[in-house]
Amino acid sequence: QQQVKQSPQSLIVQKGGISIINCAYENTAFDYFPWYQQFPGKGPALLIAIRPDVSEKKEGRFTISFNKSAKQFSLHIMDSQPGDSATYFCAASKDTGFQKLVFGTGTRLLVSP
Amino acid sequence: DVKVTQSSRYLVKRTGEKVFLECVQDMDHENMFWYRQDPGLGLRLIYFSYDVKMKEKGDIPEGYSVSREKKERFSLILESASTNQTSMYLCASSFSGEVKNIQYFGAGTRLSVL
Repeated sequence: QQQVKQSPQSLIVQKGGISIINCAYENTAFDYFPWYQQFPGKGPALLIAIRPDVSEKKEGRFTISFNKSAKQFSLHIMDSQPGDSATYFCAASKDTGFQKLVFGTGTRLLVSP
Repeated sequence: DVKVTQSSRYLVKRTGEKVFLECVQDMDHENMFWYRQDPGLGLRLIYFSYDVKMKEKGDIPEGYSVSREKKERFSLILESASTNQTSMYLCASSFSGEVKNIQYFGAGTRLSVL
């Protein structure tokens, strides 16, 4: 019930293409879904997050799509750039009070020039 | 600018040694976390703390302990290091009052146990 399943494990996209990473969760009590981005040699950093009161959130080239009934959410990176090459983690938690984040297993994205 | 500092980027230790990993945050955050990161397994929570001298077990606490004597500092202790504890260790902190539950991470300590 606490797991967040993430796919694919790795992804290669050409520059200018769309990168799509998918996550699925079991615990229906989760109501906060962030994505973290990690560059080599750095710690993860919050990229974008969504709550289930909306089905989509967009920040620049990054969009989260959320499907509450399917218990799935995905990250879309439009016009992918070599500088987007990083590892991406989805996560989930309950938004109220102190709740720890449950992370997915990560996706290593490589955007080829 | 927020900052979480881990004292070592790389550590090499021998099996059976006692190992201390230190983490300091300068954001006055109440919550601090220790994760280990392994390929294909993502980030797994070892221990967390929501206040000074308070600690809670995460998902994989076996073989580890923690100490939080001051608000800004959270230490991870490997009582007797074993080769299966070779990993990347990440420290994070977050603000209790922040609804968004944003965690800020350090750059990590890569520990090798020989």
